Amino acid sequence: NAGVTQTPKFQVLKTGQSMTLQCAQDMNHNSMYWYRQDPGMGLRLIYYSASEGTTDKGEVPNGYNVSRLNKREFSLRLESAAPSQTSVYFCASSEASRDTDTQYFGPGTRLTVL
Amino acid sequence: GDSVTQMEGPVTLSEEAFLTINCTYTATGYPSLFWYVQYPGEGLQLLLKATKADDKGSNKGFEATYRKETTSFHLEKGSVQVSDSAVYFCALSGKAAGNKLTFGGGTRVLVKP
Repeated sequence: NAGVTQTPKFQVLKTGQSMTLQCAQDMNHNSMYWYRQDPGMGLRLIYYSASEGTTDKGEVPNGYNVSRLNKREFSLRLESAAPSQTSVYFCASSEASRDTDTQYFGPGTRLTVL
Repeated sequence: GDSVTQMEGPVTLSEEAFLTINCTYTATGYPSLFWYVQYPGEGLQLLLKATKADDKGSNKGFEATYRKETTSFHLEKGSVQVSDSAVYFCALSGKAAGNKLTFGGGTRVLVKP
């Protein structure tokens, strides 16, 4: 089992460029999440998908879009990147969306926007 | 809204020292509480959790007790090793919010031989 995988590992963009971060899980989990990690701020939820076919906004959704392509894959798109989106992005998954469920995290994508 | 406050680091310790990382929370009702650990260059992984008041979570020598009266979930380990050097995150998941985690800012721990 690979768990949660993310591509790419690193990316540098210029302001205004677009890109898609890919995430896949092989644990047959129903729920998936995208977080961003900034120094001293912990992780903040961008978007989540409680189950295949549904997506919803988290704490910091502005400037992002998501697609739950199927049960395994959940992508995050930046349509017009801004320097404020420089961050480390983590994808996570959990069996369901119960408050007691453990989330499993991918290794992260380090994004720099110039 | 929900929030988590944890002590700022870095915390620097010698091997075999006692480690405590304080965590307090604000939430409606009785959330589930988690400690996640992030080793250098890696994603987060669950260290331990507690889902109701007075529960004690434990793993790898770490312990934390869900204290409703003080809204706290402090992490402790009696004797740390160099391999415990990492960033530790306290988090909560409110019952009304499903499984959306709210994280503290993280505490970096450095254990020196």
